[in-house]
Amino acid sequence: DSGVTQTPKHLITATGQRVTLRCSPRSGDLSVYWYQQSLDQGLQFLIQYYNGEERAKGNILERFSAQQFPDLHSELNLSSLELGDSALYFCASSEAGVSYNEQFFGPGTRLTVL
Amino acid sequence: GESVGLHLPTLSVQEGDNSIINCAYSNSASDYFIWYKQESGKGPQFIIDIRSNMDKRQGQRVTVLLNKTVKHLSLQIAATQPGDSAVYFCAEKRCGGANSKLTFGKGITLSVRP
Repeated sequence: DSGVTQTPKHLITATGQRVTLRCSPRSGDLSVYWYQQSLDQGLQFLIQYYNGEERAKGNILERFSAQQFPDLHSELNLSSLELGDSALYFCASSEAGVSYNEQFFGPGTRLTVL
Repeated sequence: GESVGLHLPTLSVQEGDNSIINCAYSNSASDYFIWYKQESGKGPQFIIDIRSNMDKRQGQRVTVLLNKTVKHLSLQIAATQPGDSAVYFCAEKRCGGANSKLTFGKGITLSVRP
């Protein structure tokens, strides 16, 4: 158990819908990262938050947005869903240090768009 | 653009043998190279990292080798066990501010034969 929790575990929805994925980082971790994992694209970095502020952006679509709340939990919002958005979405957290390479991943949310 | 890729999609080894998983990278500016392991149904888990100014680093049963001349990274697992069966990802990171973005390779499946 990494100490990172994600809810829900599974999510099935229809095209055009909007969903919210939730992540609680490890106690004390200030950074939260979101990743998308699909068979054809592998593990893709989406976005990073550090202590409530956006810190880095990766291959995140404009239909997707995220935020980190004062209690450090984070939410990833996916809107106008398309079939291609079906994937595993992972949240990870890490300590604040820049040179710290160990990110702790949650169990993931499997999103299926029908 | 930068990319991190793995040479082979699958690797099958006999239990007790040593495993070598290889990775090629293209970004010479990377500061760190990291190996992650992902077991079925779980999120990726940090194994070991190496700074770009090093060529070898050892952990418990694992060794990472970095050859900057040919931009090659490898993970050696000694006395491979059934519990080592997983997908292995190499990743690279460039340090800049508090940006801890990881760029992951595609992943290689390690299968351990009993």
